[in-house]
Amino acid sequence: QVQLVQSGSELKKPGASVKISCKASGYIFTGYSVNWVRQAPGQGLEWMGWISTNTGIPIYAQGFTGRFVFSLDTSVTTAYLQISSLDVEDTAVYYCMRDRGRVKENWFDPWGQGTLVIVSS
Amino acid sequence: QSALSQPPSASGTPGQRVTISCSGTISNIGTKTVNWYQQLPGTAPKLLMYSDNERPSGVPDRFSGSRFGTSASLAISGLQSEDEADYYCSAWDDSLNGVVFGGGTKLTVL
Repeated sequence: QVQLVQSGSELKKPGASVKISCKASGYIFTGYSVNWVRQAPGQGLEWMGWISTNTGIPIYAQGFTGRFVFSLDTSVTTAYLQISSLDVEDTAVYYCMRDRGRVKENWFDPWGQGTLVIVSS
Repeated sequence: QSALSQPPSASGTPGQRVTISCSGTISNIGTKTVNWYQQLPGTAPKLLMYSDNERPSGVPDRFSGSRFGTSASLAISGLQSEDEADYYCSAWDDSLNGVVFGGGTKLTVL
């Protein structure tokens, strides 16, 4: 079946980096872009941007430029989110999703199970 | 502050019909379709409704969606205890050039 499986929880110190993986299976990976969303503890969903699995070109939402990098390894149908210079404010669950919609009419299905990143000294 | 506005909470008793509203602007809901996601406690969000009123396979027809002007609504009829979850609306925003979400509505089944 179509699914996205993310890497496990991470505990990092401020200033460190983290790289989260999102392994896709059950569909043609290059047929759909991968999006990322952040959910801080007890908070709502915040769209971080997306990466074209065709071109590898990432698009970052406002507030997610500079320290956030989306990347791909199409040979293993996996997308990655790397966050550098981690701050306690980056503590959140990060989700990857397949974009099944059209340009400017995006809907996300399925979602990965989420990766909890805790940043603490 | 979210670009789309949702009531923070809603409630109903089993069997009741409840609606959850999602208010936006001309740059998002006013011109773009709305999607809804359901997040059960401790789990990842799941697509519940797309393109305003289309249900993915497996979503019961107790769930329905609508959009009018700069607002959208999710209606749940025949409320069940398993519907207790957080619900999020989302749409593309032309001004922000990206996807925006509502702040979420916590639905409690009394």
